[in-house]
Amino acid sequence: NAGVTQTPKFQVLKTGQSMTLQCAQDMNHEYMSWYRQDPGMGLRLIHYSVGAGITDQGEVPNGYNVSRSTTEDFPLRLLSAAPSQTSVYFCASSYSGRVTSTEAFFGQGTRLTVV
Amino acid sequence: KQEVTQIPAALSVPEGENLVLNCSFTDSAIYNLQWFRQDPGKGLTSLLLIQSSQREQTSGRLNASLDKSSGRSTLYIAASQPGDSATYLCAVKTGANNLFFGTGTRLTVIP
Repeated sequence: NAGVTQTPKFQVLKTGQSMTLQCAQDMNHEYMSWYRQDPGMGLRLIHYSVGAGITDQGEVPNGYNVSRSTTEDFPLRLLSAAPSQTSVYFCASSYSGRVTSTEAFFGQGTRLTVV
Repeated sequence: KQEVTQIPAALSVPEGENLVLNCSFTDSAIYNLQWFRQDPGKGLTSLLLIQSSQREQTSGRLNASLDKSSGRSTLYIAASQPGDSATYLCAVKTGANNLFFGTGTRLTVIP
């Protein structure tokens, strides 16, 4: 049982390049989300999904796209990288709906630097 | 918008001491509260989950309490060890199933 797997672990991009951060979970969780973590800011929600085919914006969605074609995968796309997107990105998953005991599980993170 | 605050931002204690980390949130309409541990350069490891109907949860040397009406949670660590050194994050889950995080408390336990 691998939990939440993120790839790559590290990435350096040039300004204007595009890339996709991969996230996969094997726990059959309906809910998946992406956060970015910046010094002094805590983790902030970028996009989330409550199930295959359903996505929505979080607190800081600009410059990012997501899609959810399967329950297991939730990739995050940077359309045109900017230095302001230098951050550590975390993917998380949990059961959703009206279940209150939904524990969130996180991947190990992707450290992205945009130069 | 839900705001989560953690105090103190950093804490150093000698090994063996008991300590308390604080977390406060502005909107009491939460589903649950989760405490995480994060080691430098690593991901988040879940420590304790308290449902909105619960008052506390315990796991080993860790005890977390929740007072939803006052918007507060505490994480109590007994008999601290150098291996407890890490950043501790609290997060509250709202009706949209999203987590709102505090900025964390960086704990150093001195041998």
